[in-house]
Amino acid sequence: DAKTTQPNSMESNEEEPVHLPCNHSTISGTDYIHWYRQLPSQGPEYVIHGLTSNVNNRMASLAIAEDRKSSTLILHRATLRDAAVYYCIKTTGNQFYFGTGTSLTVIP
Amino acid sequence: IAGITQAPTSQILAAGRRMTLRCTQDMRHNAMYWYRQDLGLGLRLIHYSNTAGTTGKGEVPDGYSVSRANTDDFPLTLASAVPSQTSVYFCASSDGGPYNEQFFGPGTRLTVL
Repeated sequence: DAKTTQPNSMESNEEEPVHLPCNHSTISGTDYIHWYRQLPSQGPEYVIHGLTSNVNNRMASLAIAEDRKSSTLILHRATLRDAAVYYCIKTTGNQFYFGTGTSLTVIP
Repeated sequence: IAGITQAPTSQILAAGRRMTLRCTQDMRHNAMYWYRQDLGLGLRLIHYSNTAGTTGKGEVPDGYSVSRANTDDFPLTLASAVPSQTSVYFCASSDGGPYNEQFFGPGTRLTVL
């Protein structure tokens, strides 16, 4: 299977860190890992991406396992606006293979 | 800056009818994509275009066709709609390559009866 595996749902308290896991055991050497999130009734929006090394940006951090078969998206301080479905995506060429995503609930 | 626009926002269509979903981007991106999203599922790639004049098949191309006459526009056509094509359709664009961000439009909700 070319897609990724994620938990269906997770909860976090507001202002606490969130670790969203993803398995991509079929990843090949040139495949990138992207994370996008989708708010209700909107198109997905970019969060972060990486190839081999851990990555940080203003939204999140991405930790990639040494064998690249799994990764974790880290939101350092969850806010209510972070409640969304988070997709871990394996890219082959410029084709995105979405999993079913993790629905994140942020509890005030 | 509009980014990506899609039309119509929503449509109810009788089975067997022909329908074209429109997508336009103003970012001069080389690559464009069409996805469908079914209830509770992630997005699946239907067709893509790496550059104007070229197109390719994604995961679920059957029943759909695309054209890319210029950089900005990437219409998706259902020649004879069937109920299983009821879905939300998203258009996206990027500079191409596996490392570039894809920018998504707001989606078209299509219901085929």
